[in-house]
Amino acid sequence: DQQVKQNSPSLSVQEGRISILNCDYTNSMFDYFLWYKKYPAEGPTFLISISSIKDKNEDGRFTVFLNKSAKHLSLHIVPSQPGDSAVYFCAALGNYGGSQGNLIFGKGTKLSVKP
Amino acid sequence: KAGVTQTPRYLIKTRGQQVTLSCSPISGHRSVSWYQQTPGQGLQFLFEYFSETQRNKGNFPGRFSGRQFSNSRSEMNVSTLELGDSALYLCASSPRTGPDTQYFGPGTRLTVL
Repeated sequence: DQQVKQNSPSLSVQEGRISILNCDYTNSMFDYFLWYKKYPAEGPTFLISISSIKDKNEDGRFTVFLNKSAKHLSLHIVPSQPGDSAVYFCAALGNYGGSQGNLIFGKGTKLSVKP
Repeated sequence: KAGVTQTPRYLIKTRGQQVTLSCSPISGHRSVSWYQQTPGQGLQFLFEYFSETQRNKGNFPGRFSGRQFSNSRSEMNVSTLELGDSALYLCASSPRTGPDTQYFGPGTRLTVL
């Protein structure tokens, strides 16, 4: 079963508007969440992260919101630019007494930003 | 600081062969994790090494193995290759094990014929 879900395989947004990418998780042991951007045949590039003790983290045009009660997080990109077109992965890390290190990834959302 | 490097970038092998992939983490990073990306399964965790010890392992057969050296460089080995092993293999490094950001290399594209 998928512990991290990105239910929208694709999203199309006009340049300058807001892009909102969503992610749901099922495992309450997850306490650190990350967003990565990925181009084909390249490794994921880290964008932004959030710890479960926070509900918002902002870095430039990127803001991640975490709603623990709903087990939901979202990535907002404002304003969207054509260079943001890529696949975005949501990932979660658990804390199982320190013996962990594996990111659990969603299936990704392909964002297309149209000029 | 140089990023995570992986060699080779591309590899073509035939069924039954074995392959070794290499990963050099960001300087100062002691945790190295390996992931497999395929169109059907997405990004899946293979294993994590920290201080030359395997700390965590994903749900992959024993044909997949790895190791880490004292300089934190890591290798992963796949023996008796199968067609389904064709994938992008990604290495990620982190300063420590535990909840921290992992930084990925460009990956090794393995094709098994």
